[in-house]
Amino acid sequence: QVQLVQSGAEVKKPGASVRISCKASGYTFSDFYIHWVRQAPGQGLEWMGFIKPSGGDTTFAQQFQGRVSMTRDTSTNTVYMEVRGLTSEDTAVYYCGRSTAVTGTGHWGQGTLVTVSS
Amino acid sequence: DIQMTQSPSTLSASVGDNVTITCRASQTISSWLSWFQQRPGKPPTLLIYQASSLQTGVPSRFSGSRSGTEFTLTIRGLQPDDFATYYCHQYYLHSYTFGQGTRLEI
Repeated sequence: QVQLVQSGAEVKKPGASVRISCKASGYTFSDFYIHWVRQAPGQGLEWMGFIKPSGGDTTFAQQFQGRVSMTRDTSTNTVYMEVRGLTSEDTAVYYCGRSTAVTGTGHWGQGTLVTVSS
Repeated sequence: DIQMTQSPSTLSASVGDNVTITCRASQTISSWLSWFQQRPGKPPTLLIYQASSLQTGVPSRFSGSRSGTEFTLTIRGLQPDDFATYYCHQYYLHSYTFGQGTRLEI
């Protein structure tokens, strides 16, 4: 079955960077986009961007362009997302999700809590 | 960017009720809209995709519809397990946004 397993919680200081991983299994890794979405405490879902595992192409929401990068390792079926220049407003649970053209994002990782605090 | 306006933000209902949640897109998104359910501390769960297609395993009391740029999620005969937060999500032409969410409370 499709599984997306994310790395563990992180605590970072303002100005630092964080890299979160999302390891996929149960399907052909290169065939499906991986999206990243975040959710600040008590808030709604915010779409950040996606990566095409087949070629590594990325697309980001405007507010994250230049501060977020996404990469993939096809040898381990893992996608990475890095967020730079962290502020307290980046404190959130970050989710990776697998999408298809028809269903949109149907499978999600368990989430990774990133806490930014001095 | 395509904006999704979801309403209401909070909905109070009782077990057995029928409820409706609405999302309006700021421009055409064809039928590229999904609905998610989310419980506290958990990732979202896909309920409906392409505006009206029921995801495998989702109870048939959930249904979705589209009229132009207005989309509706209907839950018929609320069950205790349905009290959660619901989000619409558009995925048109590699532009992705979520509605603000609707908290369905008892």
